[in-house]
Order: sequence, then structure tokens, then C-alpha cells
Amino acid sequence: QKEVEQDPGPLSVPEGAIVSLNCTYSNSAFQYFMWYRQYSRKGPELLMYTYSSGNKEDGRFTAQVDKSSKYISLFIRDSQPSDSATYLCAMSAKWNKAAGNKLTFGGGTRVLVKP
Amino acid sequence: DTGVSQDPRHKITKRGQNVTFRCDPISEHNRLYWYRQTLGQGPEFLTYFQNEAQLEKSRLLSDRFSAERPKGSFSTLEIQRTEQGDSAMYLCASSPGGEGGTGELFFGEGSRLTVL
Repeated sequence: QKEVEQDPGPLSVPEGAIVSLNCTYSNSAFQYFMWYRQYSRKGPELLMYTYSSGNKEDGRFTAQVDKSSKYISLFIRDSQPSDSATYLCAMSAKWNKAAGNKLTFGGGTRVLVKP
Repeated sequence: DTGVSQDPRHKITKRGQNVTFRCDPISEHNRLYWYRQTLGQGPEFLTYFQNEAQLEKSRLLSDRFSAERPKGSFSTLEIQRTEQGDSAMYLCASSPGGEGGTGELFFGEGSRLTVL
């Protein structure tokens, strides 16, 4: 079983709908949680960063972390066709000298927003 | 543009050949990471540098792989005697900081390797 599980999708929604993405994880040492967006044949782009449990909102994006359930979510409101991409969750434990802030990624969920 | 820069963006090679990828991190970032991403999968950690010191290597990094970061600036990832299974996107990321850090990594556009 992978440390971070993420439904591969594809997730198809109409323009304007709310996109709901989530990941589960097994390593209780994870403290930093991130969401990256990746367009085809491009590098991952950092979207949201959250430390420990709680919610964080940035424009149309809301990230939620529930450490007790080992479950994180990303919500995209008023979705646009330009939001069509693969969304990767990533997480890391507390920084240590040996590994730095090594990220463990989910497999990514492909999202398609239809006009 | 002051982001992470990777070169070349795409490399096609024949099995058995050697290839080298270069990464230029964001200038004030002293931490540098290499990841590998295959089609339909998330990136997988390969190795990590703090300045010029290579501090951790994944078991994915076989003895055909070598990474360097001379002078703590740019980094190179070399793959010797390439195999078809090496075909993937090789991603470089950097992050700032001394002790501690928040885990926010900034990725380059990647170097895509195709081994024929």
C-alpha cells in the first residue's frame, strides 16, 4: 500500500461547478501538506500549502487537513476550463538535515472542466 | 525568469547511451531535489542536496545514476547505460532555508527522457 493514496480520476465537471479532490495517507509523521497543479508535459506548480490540521483559503481554492483522519482535501470553486489539469497532493514530515523537506506525492487526479 | 530551470527539456536516446540533465535552482535556494515521474504517476524522490552535499539517495537511484552539485549552485543528473525503463520525466526542485523549513518545493518544467 502506498503512503499517499489519491483517486486517479478522471474527474469531469461542468464549468462553474465545485471540484472536490482528496488524498488519504498513512504516515502520521507528515506535518506539511501541499497541493500542486500540473499541466500536461509541464512541471508541478505549487497551489496551496497547509501546516498541520485546519483550513486555508486562497481565492477560489480551499485546502483542508484532518490529521486525525489522515485525510486532506482541495476544493476549487467556480471551476474554469483553465483548471483542467492533474492535481497532485504532496506531504512531508518535519524538516531533518538528512532528508530536508522530502515530499511524498499522491498519484494525481486528472480533472477536466467542460465549457 | 527566476524560477527553476532545467535543460534539456526533452532528450531522445538509444538504449545503452549516457545522458546528462542540468538543473539551475532559484538563486537563493540552497536545497535541491531530483524527482522522477512516469506517465500517470506522481513524482518519486530520487535525491537531495543541501548546498553541495548530497545527503539522501532513494533506492530508486541505482548505480547507473549519479548526481552532483558542485559549488552548491547548479546540479547535474547523469544516467549511464540507459535502459527503456529509464524513460520518464526528471524533475528538479529547490527550496530555501537553513535549519528547518516548510516543505514548499518549487519545481522546474522537467527534462523528459525517451529511451528507444
